[in-house]
Amino acid sequence: DAKTTQPTSMDCAEGRAANLPCNHSTISGNEYVYWYRQIHSQGPQYIIHGLKNNETNEMASLIITEDRKSSTLILPHATLRDTAVYYCIVPPSSARQLTFGSGTQLTVLP
Amino acid sequence: GAGVSQSPSNKVTEKGKDVELRCDPISGHTALYWYRQSLGQGLEFLIYFQGNSAPDKSGLPSDRFSAERTGGSVSTLTIQRTQQEDSAVYLCASSHGGGGTEAFFGQGTRLTVV
Repeated sequence: DAKTTQPTSMDCAEGRAANLPCNHSTISGNEYVYWYRQIHSQGPQYIIHGLKNNETNEMASLIITEDRKSSTLILPHATLRDTAVYYCIVPPSSARQLTFGSGTQLTVLP
Repeated sequence: GAGVSQSPSNKVTEKGKDVELRCDPISGHTALYWYRQSLGQGLEFLIYFQGNSAPDKSGLPSDRFSAERTGGSVSTLTIQRTQQEDSAVYLCASSHGGGGTEAFFGQGTRLTVV
């Protein structure tokens, strides 16, 4: 399984870009990188996923390094409502369920 | 409905009683997951259903826990002879496929065993 490593916590000023890193140095060629977040007292929410190309949607951008050993989730203009735990997940291609690690607690400061 | 629906949203039960938690997945989603999250802890995988395949029960913590999915849609998680350590938020999710495809989570059932 490709293990992911994320910082335990990060702060970001409101209105600034939040850049959340994730290391997944043992990722295999056909394994995707997924990002979810969990706002306090809510169920997790899917954000974005990618294989090797950078991806962007209405919520965030995902930048994956060329060697695919790390990625960065970018929230371009963080708001207070983006305060949450952010999970980077690399499910094995044979896996049938998502396994959540500890994630990064992002706190957006006013 | 538009999303994954779980009921009840809150459940308080006495130690030793049985409880049933219900999950209505998004229509057409073949994969259904159950997780639990104790206070201040991460998400713990419990069980996974995918279409007509045998469920992956590898996360169930004891034989007091069981789950069914009838007709490939609604799922029920049953906890028998509840214990105080079963107190947690039980989350259900569904997706078009398994293996990490975009999963949509419900708001969870908060179970408190007193």
